[in-house]
Amino acid sequence: QVQLQQSGAELAKPGSSVKISCKASGYTFTSYAMHWIKQTTGQALEWTGYIAPGSGGTKYNEKFKGKATLTVDKSSSTAYMQLSSLTPVDTAVYYCARSTFNYGSYYFDYWGQGVMVTVSS
Amino acid sequence: DIVLTQSPVLAVSLGQRATISCRASQSVSISSINLMHWYQQKPGQQPKLLIYRASNLASGIPARFSGSGSGTDFTLTIDPVQADDIAAYYCQQSRESPFTFGSGTKLEIK
Repeated sequence: QVQLQQSGAELAKPGSSVKISCKASGYTFTSYAMHWIKQTTGQALEWTGYIAPGSGGTKYNEKFKGKATLTVDKSSSTAYMQLSSLTPVDTAVYYCARSTFNYGSYYFDYWGQGVMVTVSS
Repeated sequence: DIVLTQSPVLAVSLGQRATISCRASQSVSISSINLMHWYQQKPGQQPKLLIYRASNLASGIPARFSGSGSGTDFTLTIDPVQADDIAAYYCQQSRESPFTFGSGTKLEIK
């Protein structure tokens, strides 16, 4: 069965970086896009971007350019998101979620369990 | 960016019909393909896909969930509402990047 297993909670200081992971199983990793979605405690969901695991090609929400960097390790079917220059505004739960690549089919049929990132001094 | 507007709260009685709406700031339909999707999120859990492309039931989702709409106005219907349906419901558009979500509607029991 399809599973997206994310890494554990992070506590980071302002100005630092964190790198969170999402290990995929139960499907061909390179056949689906991997997206990252931010959810603040106010419950709002924001799409940060996606990566094509086969090519490493990325597409970012302009709002998160310079903040988020998406990478993959095909050998372990793991996707990563690095968040840099952290501020308290980056405190949120971050989900990975997959979609197909077809235009119009960028909806998210499987989600990871989420990673809580807390930025505090 | 396309803004999706949802009412914050909807209160319904068990066994009745719940109608959750989502209005887009511009059309999310192309050539009769409606690029609106719906998710359910229970407290402490990740969102779950319910409906894709406005009216297609996702795998494993009960038939009491249905979706409709086109252009800028979309609806998620739950009929009949069960206690297990208490959750937040989000719409999401994939018409253009950045893909955006509505602010969510919390379904409550009267």
